[in-house]
Amino acid sequence: SAVISQKPSRDICQRGTSLTIQCQVDSQVTMMFWYRQQPGQSLTLIATANQGSEATYESGFVIDKFPISRPNLTFSTLTVSNMSPEDSSIYLCSARSETQYFGPGTRLLVL
Amino acid sequence: GQQLNQSPQSMFIQEGEDVSMNCTSSSIFNTWLWYKQEPGEGPVLLIALYKAGELTSNGRLTAQFGITRKDSFLNISASIPSDVGIYFCAGRNAGNMLTFGGGTRLMVKP
Repeated sequence: SAVISQKPSRDICQRGTSLTIQCQVDSQVTMMFWYRQQPGQSLTLIATANQGSEATYESGFVIDKFPISRPNLTFSTLTVSNMSPEDSSIYLCSARSETQYFGPGTRLLVL
Repeated sequence: GQQLNQSPQSMFIQEGEDVSMNCTSSSIFNTWLWYKQEPGEGPVLLIALYKAGELTSNGRLTAQFGITRKDSFLNISASIPSDVGIYFCAGRNAGNMLTFGGGTRLMVKP
């Protein structure tokens, strides 16, 4: 299994600012992902974080709004840029080794 | 795109009762995963299923990969208060992406 940590666990931000969320996995994994989860809702995939190349974004998500880095096989960051209240959500990092695991999430509130 | 229909959306049961929830899809999946999410936490993997017809248990939990590869169910026997949470099914296709069901919110009355 993979143990995943995220920082920060929660934050309150002003509109127009940006927040970078960090994700650390305790072992090397082949794939890392970023999801968004609105309160009481299911999970929506934002993008696949590719090591050494640009992330692969799902429909409705763009690099300018959600830039992603993955410098190695255990670490990734997601930035939520130029935030608005609609970006208030839970952001979850996920990693796949033999199966897929999730971090504890980052709870973001944009005022 | 692919969709997973998960039912029921919520259940309010008495402690000790058995629980059953399921997911169906119009598309075939190669893997089915079941997760539980508690308030303030990320989803935690409960059971992974890799072959059609596979039946796997994890304590009081039992899940099956449907023979048609388009459905899966999760059963919880003799529910206890700590079973409370939201249960998500997820299917993985040949493209390696996970698709999530809408979740089943389980509430257990002591």
